[in-house]
Amino acid sequence: AQTVTQSQPEMSVQEAETVTLSCTYDTSENNYYLFWYKQPPSRQMILVIRQEAYKQQNATENRFSVNFQKAAKSFSLKISDSQLGDTAMYFCAFDLSAGGTSYGKLTFGQGTILTVHP
Amino acid sequence: KAGVTQTPRYLIKTRGQQVTLSCSPISGHRSVSWYQQTPGQGLQFLFEYFSETQRNKGNFPGRFSGRQFSNSRSEMNVSTLELGDSALYLCASSSGQGEGEAFFGQGTRLTVV
Repeated sequence: AQTVTQSQPEMSVQEAETVTLSCTYDTSENNYYLFWYKQPPSRQMILVIRQEAYKQQNATENRFSVNFQKAAKSFSLKISDSQLGDTAMYFCAFDLSAGGTSYGKLTFGQGTILTVHP
Repeated sequence: KAGVTQTPRYLIKTRGQQVTLSCSPISGHRSVSWYQQTPGQGLQFLFEYFSETQRNKGNFPGRFSGRQFSNSRSEMNVSTLELGDSALYLCASSSGQGEGEAFFGQGTRLTVV
């Protein structure tokens, strides 16, 4: 079974600064996807960034980037130039893949509440 | 294009009753996954359907069931409701093939009294 651990229940950052959210996972599988999802107070889960395990290059999406350390089973999210709209709960998630196809069975961490202060 | 639609948005039921929640995926998506979100247990996977077949199932009792129709719309049913079933139920749709991104609906907030 796979597990995902987010050790920071809450984080805060000043607007325009950089913040890093931590995530570790445990699996004996070699083929999988890792994700960061954002859930604002509106409850809608939104995909922030995705990383395929077989890719060594860290994924980047505008102000969001990851530090993927496969051997250490670590997958942290860095948010640069934080904005007020980044305030949300952030979830790290894991999904197995077979032949490049995601299983559609996400395992989530407990989440980190991020507050961006003006 | 239209997003994932879950109905109803809010629901209040009494212990012992049953409930059916609905999820309409994004057009063209064939995979629908269901998740339960509670403050204590976080987000937990319930089941996933692809082309009307259940492909994956989480560790929930048999009171939780689901199905998917030929148009990919999915329903989940919870029978003999318990207070602990109070939760936000989220559905996610994806193409079901390749690294398809999962798009989530806004959820159904179920309260059991």
